Amino acid sequence: ETGVTQTPRHLVMGMTNKKSLKCEQHLGHNAMYWYKQSAKKPLELMFVYSLEERVENNSVPSRFSPECPNSSHLFLHLHTLQPEDSALYLCASSQDTVSGSLGEQFFGPGTRLTVL
Amino acid sequence: GENVEQHPSTLSVQEGDSAVIKCTYSDSASNYFPWYKQELGKRPQLIIDIRSNVGEKKDQRIAVTLNKTAKHFSLHITETQPEDSAVYFCAAEDGATNKLIFGTGTLLAVQP
Repeated sequence: ETGVTQTPRHLVMGMTNKKSLKCEQHLGHNAMYWYKQSAKKPLELMFVYSLEERVENNSVPSRFSPECPNSSHLFLHLHTLQPEDSALYLCASSQDTVSGSLGEQFFGPGTRLTVL
Repeated sequence: GENVEQHPSTLSVQEGDSAVIKCTYSDSASNYFPWYKQELGKRPQLIIDIRSNVGEKKDQRIAVTLNKTAKHFSLHITETQPEDSAVYFCAAEDGATNKLIFGTGTLLAVQP
């Protein structure tokens, strides 16, 4: 596998379920991101792990919980989601410099999540 | 924080014509402005980017211009082809957090 991979590609869950999304990057990058993409809205940054530092978007509900065990893997744990959380969840990675200069972000194919 | 606005939301052109998509941003400290293309059902992919030390960058049929004084940047596609049909997103780097803030996207349809 090359680039950024995500599993599962599609997920349907009830509001009381617990599930996890997985992302893996094979590019040797040092930063990984979770984005939410909803219809007619801009890509919303949810979480980022950059140079081993976690940066959290304060507007993300606690029912979304990220985990980054190493620089190649990123998880998004989901618990008691709401129907309005249904969206495409995209993972991305980049090689950022120590000074904070952004590198090109490479996106995964996304997980299409439907919450019933 | 950074705020990015993108116009138009939809754009239809005839094959061979040019297409222009415009974005404005609010953070004068922003220095990095990428453009992403997302074809239907596929992941966003970077097509061109520009940093604030240049005013224009070109790659074959695609060009980006940046006006730091006015805080706007534009994507120009010349000699459009049906395979250019996609959603295009602009983004700007938030100067405080160094993270990307995306525009709402432009659906470009190239009519053969």
